[in-house]
Amino acid sequence: QKEVEQNSGPLSVPEGAIASLNCTYSDRGSQSFFWYRQYSGKSPELIMFIYSNGDKEDGRFTAQLNKASQYVSLLIRDSQPSDSATYLCAVRTSGAGSYQLTFGKGTKLSVIP
Amino acid sequence: DTGVSQDPRHKITKRGQNVTFRCDPISEHNRLYWYRQTLGQGPEFLTYFQNEAQLEKSRLLSDRFSAERPKGSFSTLEIQRTEQGDSAMYLCASSLVGAVGDTQYFGPGTRLTVL
Repeated sequence: QKEVEQNSGPLSVPEGAIASLNCTYSDRGSQSFFWYRQYSGKSPELIMFIYSNGDKEDGRFTAQLNKASQYVSLLIRDSQPSDSATYLCAVRTSGAGSYQLTFGKGTKLSVIP
Repeated sequence: DTGVSQDPRHKITKRGQNVTFRCDPISEHNRLYWYRQTLGQGPEFLTYFQNEAQLEKSRLLSDRFSAERPKGSFSTLEIQRTEQGDSAMYLCASSLVGAVGDTQYFGPGTRLTVL
């Protein structure tokens, strides 16, 4: 059973602070890792993806990947109330011809003005 | 550039009825995926197509579920003899073969309520 684990939260941070969201995965052969944001009642919206060890930055967002530890994280700098949402970690599982994503349950983030 | 569209957005049906959902992917995307999401859970993979070929199916896709993509463009997902446990958000996503990350972009979803 290939699993993706996230702390369900809620994670509360004050406006302007850094929010840190974490995700671990069980399939050591996983190749690509995605962060999606989902507002209540809406569909997932892609934030960014990462497939190499290290950091990847896009605006206020930084994804970090450590394949040895099977750990991926998302940092949100200068958090805004509009960042309040559920953040889903998704992993593309290994296997020839397999393109499905396995999602965690999501971490609910609340940014307090 | 239009995104993924899904129709209907909401569907309420009685147990035992059949329902069909439609997904139109981003126009140049050749992979299309169906997921199901229940409250408090992440999306769960159901099936995916590359062009018109259905290449992968989850064990979640029981024999009451069938998906088609007859011309490699839009796709339909049919649920026969609906059960209350089928109540969920059905999400469609699409991606482009060879694109960096093969990133999947989601449509707005169809929310199904089975009474």
